[in-house]
Amino acid sequence: RKEVEQDPGPFNVPEGATVAFNCTYSNSASQSFFWYRQDCRKEPKLLMSVYSSGNEDGRFTAQLNRASQYISLLIRDSKLSDSATYLCVVNSLSVGRKAAGNKLTFGGGTRVLVKP
Amino acid sequence: GAVVSQHPSRVICKSGTSVKIECRSLDFQATTMFWYRQFPKQSLMLMATSNEGSKATYEQGVEKDKFLINHASLTLSTLTVTSAHPEDSSFYICSARTASMNTEAFFGQGTRLTVV
Repeated sequence: RKEVEQDPGPFNVPEGATVAFNCTYSNSASQSFFWYRQDCRKEPKLLMSVYSSGNEDGRFTAQLNRASQYISLLIRDSKLSDSATYLCVVNSLSVGRKAAGNKLTFGGGTRVLVKP
Repeated sequence: GAVVSQHPSRVICKSGTSVKIECRSLDFQATTMFWYRQFPKQSLMLMATSNEGSKATYEQGVEKDKFLINHASLTLSTLTVTSAHPEDSSFYICSARTASMNTEAFFGQGTRLTVV
């Protein structure tokens, strides 16, 4: 099982509609979570951090469910410019390594296509 | 957000030669830098994690003698692809973060390597 899993999509979304998708993680000791957005042939950019209580930033809402080990992202009133790949990122402590530290693991990404 | 500069953005090299990619954090001290590789239509795959002043920790399946990583200062890490082959052609991205465990990572612009 992959450490971080996402539905690859694509999610075809009519402009103005709402879309939501999840990301599951296998390491119960994961400490922090992020959603990144990646446009084609560009580097990922942070969309939002995911807090325990859930958080909202404009049309974007992120939720964390530790019991079921998933995070979600909801986009309301989709815009054409929201078309991108959304990457779920999980920060876990790397144990058992010589140089212990934290590690960011990416999901495979969920592709969202917003159409007029 | 913080700025990470990656250079070069694009490089074409002959098979058998070596290529060095630089990753610099411009306005913060990056105690940890990550190197990723991304093949077309696939997600980012972590290659290695480097902490300033110590040897990089490589992910399973990544040859440390082929992908040399140096993180000699808090603002610079380099990845050298040695004896490059066409199958090494890919998009390489670095990211950097501070010592704080739960902060997000900031990404360089990526380097598109083509080996001919």
